[in-house]
Amino acid sequence: NAGVTQTPKFQVLKTGQSMTLQCAQDMNHEYMSWYRQDPGMGLRLIHYSVGAGITDQGEVPNGYNVSRSTTEDFPLRLLSAAPSQTSVYFCASSYSLRVRTGFTGELFFGEGSRLTVL
Amino acid sequence: TQLLEQSPQFLSIQEGENLTVYCNSSSVFSSLQWYRQEPGEGPVLLVTVVTGGEVKKLKRLTFQFGDARKDSSLHITAAQPGDTGLYLCAAPNFGNEKLTFGTGTRLTIIP
Repeated sequence: NAGVTQTPKFQVLKTGQSMTLQCAQDMNHEYMSWYRQDPGMGLRLIHYSVGAGITDQGEVPNGYNVSRSTTEDFPLRLLSAAPSQTSVYFCASSYSLRVRTGFTGELFFGEGSRLTVL
Repeated sequence: TQLLEQSPQFLSIQEGENLTVYCNSSSVFSSLQWYRQEPGEGPVLLVTVVTGGEVKKLKRLTFQFGDARKDSSLHITAAQPGDTGLYLCAAPNFGNEKLTFGTGTRLTIIP
């Protein structure tokens, strides 16, 4: 069982370069999301998607783009990398159980992608 | 976006001791989750609590949801080195599918 697969695991970029972090899940989950994790700041939501063709912004969307053309894939694009985007990025997916006023589905995470921008 | 504050930020104790970590907010939650993250891995769900006052036990871990659904605690009895990790609480935002995480408590159990 692959679960959530992220590539690459490590990447070094120069300021201004662009790149795409790949995320794929094989659990037929409708909900997918991207978080970044920085020391002392927990996980912060960048973008999320509730299904193919639907995306929305999280807490820290600036500098990142996403698209959701299939249920399985949810790539994260850095358009012009900046040192402030140095972080560990996590992709997560869920069945998207929405219970009345909130979302209580279990998030399944990938192993993370460590990005350094010089 | 609601804020989730976790305390303490760091905790280092001897094997066999008991400990409690906290997750607090000024907002009311419809539910709250606790995740554990080990180095080099993504977080893994431990528990979801949905009812005010609810207590759930997972072996030596006891999770409690506050009566007013604004806070939660995680108590570990007789801590073991395998409990070492980053503990994160998370709660959904009202009316959308965003899950907000707290800043985490980094727990180290010394053998």
